[in-house]
Amino acid sequence: QSALTQPASVSGSPGQSITIPCTGTSRDVGGYNHVSWYQQHPGKAPKLMIYEVSNRPSGVSNRFSGSKSGNTASLTISGLQAEDEADYYCSSYTSSGTLVFGGGTTLTVL
Amino acid sequence: QLQLQESGPGLVKSSETLSLTCTVSGGSISSSSYYWGWIRQPPGKGLEWIGSIYYSGSTYYNPSLKSRVTISVDTSKNQFSLKLSSVTAADTAVYYCARLRDFEWHFAYWGQGTLVTVSS
Repeated sequence: QSALTQPASVSGSPGQSITIPCTGTSRDVGGYNHVSWYQQHPGKAPKLMIYEVSNRPSGVSNRFSGSKSGNTASLTISGLQAEDEADYYCSSYTSSGTLVFGGGTTLTVL
Repeated sequence: QLQLQESGPGLVKSSETLSLTCTVSGGSISSSSYYWGWIRQPPGKGLEWIGSIYYSGSTYYNPSLKSRVTISVDTSKNQFSLKLSSVTAADTAVYYCARLRDFEWHFAYWGQGTLVTVSS
């Protein structure tokens, strides 16, 4: 199975909004709503930020939102804050009954 | 609060078998609606799902690792384990255990991770 496609890096200034795309195929992202997003700070375990395309776990800021169109899912962070600087990974269930992650995107807050 | 803790050797010799255990506390590994999984992350690289197991023993594996991976569960100890055979330097990574929500396939709870280095 191939990793989902994410840009290697994105950046934005405090207060701005950014969007991270995650592109797959009809056999994963496009075929199911089991898309999740994780935030990972250096040396830390990943933290779940979005699940089932657009649902936020309790305790996650409403500045984080998720969406999907066709084979591409997206994570949007509004009102960027310095603490949002981290790596972000998408994941999706696949038609093979497995799970696949994206390659990861490094967010830099300028 | 659910907690997961990985344990096992931090150094494994090339061609040998990597063995790790994840101990679950604050909840039962036999809970319905959840699978238990292993994910790894080579230094400076992205996340890779290794596989997942249900308390009944039902498993799902990453096709690229399936021939070398065995995941098992011990409900009496509230633990599940990973064995990866014939390791090479490419298997050097931080290994995480985590809880996977069934039917939604997301990991809400993670262990802190443990670095396993494969030496020649």
